[in-house]
Amino acid sequence: DTGVSQNPRHKITKRGQNVTFRCDPISEHNRLYWYRQTLGQGPEFLTYFQNEAQLEKSRLLSDRFSAERPKGSFSTLEIQRTEQGDSAMYLCASSLLEGQAYTFGSGTRLTVV
Amino acid sequence: KQEVTQIPAALSVPEGENLVLNCSFTDSAIYNLQWFRQDPGKGLTSLLLIQSSQREQTSGRLNASLDKSSGRSTLYIAASQPGDSATYLCAVPLNSGNTPLVFGKGTRLSVIA
Repeated sequence: DTGVSQNPRHKITKRGQNVTFRCDPISEHNRLYWYRQTLGQGPEFLTYFQNEAQLEKSRLLSDRFSAERPKGSFSTLEIQRTEQGDSAMYLCASSLLEGQAYTFGSGTRLTVV
Repeated sequence: KQEVTQIPAALSVPEGENLVLNCSFTDSAIYNLQWFRQDPGKGLTSLLLIQSSQREQTSGRLNASLDKSSGRSTLYIAASQPGDSATYLCAVPLNSGNTPLVFGKGTRLSVIA
């Protein structure tokens, strides 16, 4: 068990391009969460999955954002037509069950130029 | 809607001092409360998880208390060390029950040798 893995660690993209991030949770964890964090702020919830089902999406998750978790294992977060305001750290976390501690990955830092 | 506030926003102390970080939340019907540590540019590390039925949790030099009725939690760090320098975040579920977490903005701690 190597914890939660996120790739890539850093991504620089031009405005208008599409980007995709990957998260590999701890293998036995059923729940997987995506958060976004900007400088000086706490993480903001984007969406979460229980196994392969996407249970909740924040209003922060515009139509340009989509997340999947096929087969209830790894997850991807795609941002289409990136904007400068999308620049942030994208964090993934997983937990075994309700009420259990979260384990976070190291994040993917996105810079849109 | 759950909101989390952390005071102070930043704190600088000399090495060896005991210190208290504060967290308050608006909806006291929480399932649990979690404290995290975040180093610059990194993901979050879970420090302590307090279930709603508990009043405190301890891990090494860290002690977290929870007072649900007043909507408050404190994180006590004993005999602080320069390696404790980081941002400390608290988080509670978004709604009553165990739903995705909402975070405070954190307290940035600097321990001076």
